[in-house]
Amino acid sequence: AQSVTQLGSHVSVSEGALVLLRCNYSSSVPPYLFWYVQYPNQGLQLLLKYTSAATLVKGINGFEAEFKKSETSFHLTKPSAHMSDAAEYFCAVSGPFGIGNDKLIFGTGTRLQVFP
Amino acid sequence: NAGVTQTPKFQVLKTGQSMTLQCAQDMNHNSMYWYRQDPGMGLRLIYYSASEGTTDKGEVPNGYNVSRLNKREFSLRLESAAPSQTSVYFCATAPDPRGAELTNEKLFFGSGTQLSVL
Repeated sequence: AQSVTQLGSHVSVSEGALVLLRCNYSSSVPPYLFWYVQYPNQGLQLLLKYTSAATLVKGINGFEAEFKKSETSFHLTKPSAHMSDAAEYFCAVSGPFGIGNDKLIFGTGTRLQVFP
Repeated sequence: NAGVTQTPKFQVLKTGQSMTLQCAQDMNHNSMYWYRQDPGMGLRLIYYSASEGTTDKGEVPNGYNVSRLNKREFSLRLESAAPSQTSVYFCATAPDPRGAELTNEKLFFGSGTQLSVL
């Protein structure tokens, strides 16, 4: 069974400040991990994904995430927040393909607010 | 390319009414999914279809039925709507496993259907 836990349903930062959104996972098989972003009244868009290659993954819009097996974490960071980053962010986990664990399981989401 | 198209975008039902949410994709993907999104709950998988002619239950299937009519279309039906089914519903698709390894995205989402059951 797989699950993700996102710590903090709301995060507020000032424009230009560091963004840190936390995600911890639980998985009985080697996980694939994803971060998605949802802007108001839109569907989800992929920010980045980890699929057992490099542990530091760079995504779109300046975001990156680091897979830490020892901490079972996949936190999302951005060095300098922009007003346009305000959105809801979802962490998700799935298993390797082909063994019945490739359905995406989502966390409960973290709403990011950016203040001027 | 339209990608993943959901209809309708908005719907209001009375308790006990039935309706079908439609999803169509033009990306030739094998896998299709229905999720519901509720505040504080994230996205929860209702049903999914790994290929034409097959469907399986997800985390929260009760009160729903699905049909994988063909490779393009995957519909979600509420036979007797309840207020607890008020939610935003998202359809998503994914290429076959080998194809997903080569693409940047695991899932492609539609823009959602906002459903209110009074």
